[in-house]
Amino acid sequence: QKEVEQNSGPLSVPEGAIASLNCTYSDRGSQSFFWYRQYSGKSPELIMFIYSNGDKEDGRFTAQLNKASQYVSLLIRDSQPSDSATYLCAVNMISDMRFGAGTRLTVKP
Amino acid sequence: SAVISQKPSRDICQRGTSLTIQCQVDSQVTMMFWYRQQPGQSLTLIATANQGSEATYESGFVIDKFPISRPNLTFSTLTVSNMSPEDSSIYLCSVEAGGILQETQYFGPGTRLLVL
Repeated sequence: QKEVEQNSGPLSVPEGAIASLNCTYSDRGSQSFFWYRQYSGKSPELIMFIYSNGDKEDGRFTAQLNKASQYVSLLIRDSQPSDSATYLCAVNMISDMRFGAGTRLTVKP
Repeated sequence: SAVISQKPSRDICQRGTSLTIQCQVDSQVTMMFWYRQQPGQSLTLIATANQGSEATYESGFVIDKFPISRPNLTFSTLTVSNMSPEDSSIYLCSVEAGGILQETQYFGPGTRLLVL
């Protein structure tokens, strides 16, 4: 089992829709969770982090964490073409941070 | 957050040669990391570099191939030795910042390496 798994994608949504990105992790002791956005040819950029169960909102982005289910998600409301990128889920495990394979999101005008 | 720079930003190298990548951060950090990202793939951790100690390498990566220096709290280098076309990749350094249990990694802009 991979340590951090993301829905494989690619994911395509129309402009203005909600994009939902999902991630599961294997280490039940993990305490902190991150979403990075990576545009093609660029390095990963941190967009959200969450430490507690529940929802955390930042503008059009909402991160959701359920530690019991070992599940973290990212919702992007009112998706824009500029949101088209690969989104990486990262989990800070006891020894180090592990990244998922990423989900490629395309927002179509 | 931290401001991180990398040099060179890109390079084209001949097989059998070596390239040293530099990573500079604008503040003192304890933990620095080196990743590789091959085209269309996610990040693969090469090693963790703590100042004052030997780098810790992940499975599949060895010091002879990827020697790392960490002379102070703001700087690190990664050397890709005896390169082959399979080493063509993006190499990223990152630093860890934040409080206990809130550690976050921030990435440099990356070095795009093509080995012919």
